[in-house]
Amino acid sequence: EIVLTQSPGTLSLSPGERATLSCTASQSVSSSDLAWYQQKPGQAPRLLIYGASTRATGIPDRFSGSGSGTDFTLTISRLEPEDFEVYYCQQYGSSPLTFGGGTKVEIK
Amino acid sequence: QLQLQESGPGLVKPSETLSLTCTVSGGSVSSNRYYWGWIRQTPGKGLEWIGSIYYSGSTYYNPSLKSRVTISVDTSKNQFSLKLSSLTAADTAVYYCARHGSSWYLKWFDPWGQGTLVTVSS
Repeated sequence: EIVLTQSPGTLSLSPGERATLSCTASQSVSSSDLAWYQQKPGQAPRLLIYGASTRATGIPDRFSGSGSGTDFTLTISRLEPEDFEVYYCQQYGSSPLTFGGGTKVEIK
Repeated sequence: QLQLQESGPGLVKPSETLSLTCTVSGGSVSSNRYYWGWIRQTPGKGLEWIGSIYYSGSTYYNPSLKSRVTISVDTSKNQFSLKLSSLTAADTAVYYCARHGSSWYLKWFDPWGQGTLVTVSS
C-alpha cells in the first residue's frame, strides 16, 4: 500500500499569499497518477487536479499541481477567501487507492 | 449533470451489517467508462477507499476491509450498494459514493455524493 504524507498539517497564510502544499508518497506513484481535492466543512471533497498537474473542469488557474515519483505539490498562487479549506491528495497508480491525511489552509 | 446520492440508516448496532445505496442520476451506472466506488471519512483515519464496482459486477476492494465488504450494482435501478458486516465503533464515519474511470490512469474520484453519516452504537 502506498502511504501518502501531507505537509504541513496546517498552513497559516493571508489572502493574496502563495500556498505550497506537499504530498510525499512512500513509494513511487506510477505515471503521476495523483489527484488533489478541496473539502469544505460538511461537504464532499471536490476534485481540483488529476494526473498530478491537470486542472479539473471549472477549477481556477490559480491552482496548479506538479511533481512526479514520490514528491508532489499543490500550489495556490494567490489565496482567495474561499480557498481557506482542507486539501487532500490521492494516488491511483496502484491498489488500494489511498489518500493523504490532509492539509488545512487557515487564515493567518 | 451527474449526481450521486447516498441513502441508508444513520444508526446501526455493533456486530450488525450496514447497508447503503447510492442512486445515480443524470448518467448511467451501465457506462463502460466508469467504476462506482465507496469511500469513508473518519476524524481518526481520514479518507479511506472501501471498494469499487463496474457495471458488469466486477469488484475490487481495499484489503483492509475486504473480508467484511460486499459491493453490488443494480443497473435496472441505476444504483449500487455497499454492505459492511461485523460493525464496530471504528466503522462510525461519513460514507461517500463516487465515480472513477475504468482505466488505471483515470481512477480519480469525480463526482462525489454528499455523504451520509453512519454511527455505530448500541
